[in-house]
Amino acid sequence: GENVEQHPSTLSVQEGDSAVIKCTYSDSASNYFPWYKQELGKRPQLIIDIRSNVGEKKDQRIAVTLNKTAKHFSLHITETQPEDSAVYFCAATFNTNAGKSTFGDGTTLTVKP
Amino acid sequence: GAVVSQHPSWVICKSGTSVKIECRSLDFQATTMFWYRQFPKQSLMLMATSNEGSKATYEQGVEKDKFLINHASLTLSTLTVTSAHPEDSSFYICSATGLSNEQFFGPGTRLTVL
Repeated sequence: GENVEQHPSTLSVQEGDSAVIKCTYSDSASNYFPWYKQELGKRPQLIIDIRSNVGEKKDQRIAVTLNKTAKHFSLHITETQPEDSAVYFCAATFNTNAGKSTFGDGTTLTVKP
Repeated sequence: GAVVSQHPSWVICKSGTSVKIECRSLDFQATTMFWYRQFPKQSLMLMATSNEGSKATYEQGVEKDKFLINHASLTLSTLTVTSAHPEDSSFYICSATGLSNEQFFGPGTRLTVL
């Protein structure tokens, strides 16, 4: 089955700096890669996603890049703010498996004011 | 975006009792619903995949007789934790997908078994 590894497990940055979280996946058939932000005790919220036919996608301060050959994808947050502090999860999804996703272990991001 | 509700948001029960958790897609028909368990400071662990009108597909290591899943309609799936024990205490989250692969998560149910 699919295996997703996420690094780092914790990340602390100064407000205004950039944060980068990286994930690798094992199944080349995975073709949809969402990123979720989860605050304590709350549901995961989709913040950005990318499909396998695209190499990069950007939404304001958030961007995701995908390297299909190397089977890795990354989340980039620029101009970080304290409210960006949360746990971030990447996931790899196999389209023909009814959207079943395998999640990374999560990254706890702390943005210091 | 699509809305998924979950009920109850939290429940405390005695060991040995059963607890039912409901997951509803409020404004779309969910072709598939997923049930996850999340322990503190850990990732979401998929328990089972549920499709309307068919038996759920359980992940390896998840006891289907303990975690009963019923997907009676395109907008409702239920998870029943039978004979709950303290080690079943966790955050249970459902998600639903429509025509795309995007998962819409419910708010989660905090289960505490005494």
